[in-house]
Amino acid sequence: GAVVSQHPSRVICKSGTSVKIECRSLDFQATTMFWYRQFPKQSLMLMATSNEGSKATYEQGVEKDKFLINHASLTLSTLTVTSAHPEDSSFYICSVGDSHFYEQYFGPGTRLTVT
Amino acid sequence: DAKTTQPTSMDCAEGRAANLPCNHSTISGNEYVYWYRQIHSQGPQYIIHGLKNNETNEMASLIITEDRKSSTLILPHATLRDTAVYYCIVRVVNAGGTSYGKLTFGQGTILTVHP
Repeated sequence: GAVVSQHPSRVICKSGTSVKIECRSLDFQATTMFWYRQFPKQSLMLMATSNEGSKATYEQGVEKDKFLINHASLTLSTLTVTSAHPEDSSFYICSVGDSHFYEQYFGPGTRLTVT
Repeated sequence: DAKTTQPTSMDCAEGRAANLPCNHSTISGNEYVYWYRQIHSQGPQYIIHGLKNNETNEMASLIITEDRKSSTLILPHATLRDTAVYYCIVRVVNAGGTSYGKLTFGQGTILTVHP
């Protein structure tokens, strides 16, 4: 399966600042990547679908101006949490799909803590 | 996508088979059954998927009932490293063979493998 990396693995930032999370598909050209969020002891929730060269599609209730997604190449998508607040503290996970999306391959996740 | 029902938690002795049930009584004809697992603080890992026939790979076997309303994931020889949350997901695959891509995660089953 595809190998997906995320950077950083952990980040701590102060309230009001912005933080960027990178998701890389190391061995697979991903036209579509997905971003999920997982709060403690909860399941994964899809935030948005990132399409290479076009605007991301956000799930209902996810603020597109707060969670900026850029998918400029077939191997890189970034999620920027703007003006982060403590309630944005969460585990952020990206995934890529194979050509038919029969399988999705997930990154290791990024733990964001906003103080 | 159809909703799934899984037991909240299960235990299994190391070396024994772990049988994880999933109920998806409202599944429709174009929905596949997928299984993923998530080890603590990691991204989900794809295990297996199927439509109506039983499937087996190097990780597990998937048994789908004839009416497709339920399925069982079998880990034939569970190890301590199989302790994780296991998610059963049903997902539409359209007539063209390309899925919609979205995975909707429920609460899953916490499988604990003990010595």
